[in-house]
Amino acid sequence: GQQVMQIPQYQHVQEGEDFTTYCNSSTTLSNIQWYKQRPGGHPVFLIQLVKSGEVKKQKRLTFQFGEAKKNSSLHITATQTTDVGTYFCAGRIAGANNLFFGTGTRLTVIP
Amino acid sequence: KAGVTQTPRYLIKTRGQQVTLSCSPISGHRSVSWYQQTPGQGLQFLFEYFSETQRNKGNFPGRFSGRQFSNSRSEMNVSTLELGDSALYLCASTVSPGHIDTQYFGPGTRLTVL
Repeated sequence: GQQVMQIPQYQHVQEGEDFTTYCNSSTTLSNIQWYKQRPGGHPVFLIQLVKSGEVKKQKRLTFQFGEAKKNSSLHITATQTTDVGTYFCAGRIAGANNLFFGTGTRLTVIP
Repeated sequence: KAGVTQTPRYLIKTRGQQVTLSCSPISGHRSVSWYQQTPGQGLQFLFEYFSETQRNKGNFPGRFSGRQFSNSRSEMNVSTLELGDSALYLCASTVSPGHIDTQYFGPGTRLTVL
């Protein structure tokens, strides 16, 4: 079954509004990565979080890793049309070798 | 550095045929992973190769297979194609498998099975 769940599946926002996508795992993750896939493109690595409670920022993007290392979030402040795409989290479950990708959140930004 | 390359970019096959997809990783990267991406299932892990050995395998039937060559290039093969195999097949390379491993994805091969 799906190891890593991601919500929401779709999100439409007005340009300038904030956006958040959430990633949840039923088991502890050793690390979590976030990727962005533009329409028609391929996933591009954004960031990796490893430590419990870790928070990292990239300009308008804020990434968090939960204290229990079972959930993560990506928050975009003041969205722009260039933020359009699907955002995936990918978690490595402790003891497993491969990455489990979330189902992704497709973000549409309305100008 | 050149990125991950995948050939062909597009492919149309009919049910029952077999197909081979190719992936050339970033120079110096020795680990290659394959994923199947469909609208309904998202990104599903197929397998990972490192130093010509399959290191990990996802939950796909035996019709899906792969291999890696000494130059780290990888191929995946799907035999007896089914309609449900229509998808974007992505490969990703990393320096080596491990705890900290950014995956660099190629542009993908879009396979359509008629």
